[in-house]
Amino acid sequence: TQLLEQSPQFLSIQEGENLTVYCNSSSVFSSLQWYRQEPGEGPVLLVTVVTGGEVKKLKRLTFQFGDARKDSSLHITAAQPGDTGLYLCACPYGGATNKLIFGTGTLLAVQP
Amino acid sequence: EAGVTQSPTHLIKTRGQQATLRCSPISGHTSVYWYQQALGLGLQFLLWYDEGEERNRGNFPPRFSGRQFPNYSSELNVNALELEDSALYLCASRMDPGANQPQHFGDGTRLSIL
Repeated sequence: TQLLEQSPQFLSIQEGENLTVYCNSSSVFSSLQWYRQEPGEGPVLLVTVVTGGEVKKLKRLTFQFGDARKDSSLHITAAQPGDTGLYLCACPYGGATNKLIFGTGTLLAVQP
Repeated sequence: EAGVTQSPTHLIKTRGQQATLRCSPISGHTSVYWYQQALGLGLQFLLWYDEGEERNRGNFPPRFSGRQFPNYSSELNVNALELEDSALYLCASRMDPGANQPQHFGDGTRLSIL
């Protein structure tokens, strides 16, 4: 059972456009993480959000955790070709295991 | 500080063979996680090792196994390889499994089954 659903699955935009990626679940999580994975590389952690309603900014990226801690969004302002990659949301699961359950992923392509 | 390193980068095997993948965690990290990233299935948790012991495993058959060595490096072994085992296998390490510490990923081993 996939606990985290991401939308859209694919996104192709022009340089300079804005975009939003969504991560939704029917479960409540203690925290949620966003990763970016580039071709041939492993996922790289961008941010961890912990508190409901929390907003974090990382340069042109804005991350928000839903008030009920069941959803999250990633907004990119003025996208650049370097933002191209697979964006994954993930949450710790399984108590002490702290394994990560990953979302279905959003593949972003920013055209110059 | 060196990141998580995995070897080999690519591995080509045929059905029925056995594969061994290796992972060296970040210095000071005691926990190692293995994930499978297969096309169409996303990233799925495989195994967790901490302090030399297997602590948890995901929904994978017993032919997926591994171990963690005293220096905290880890091996993933896949026996009786099947075509659907073709995937990117990612290793991640973290400092303390009980705390809210992030996992750091290596760049993976691309396993192709012919």
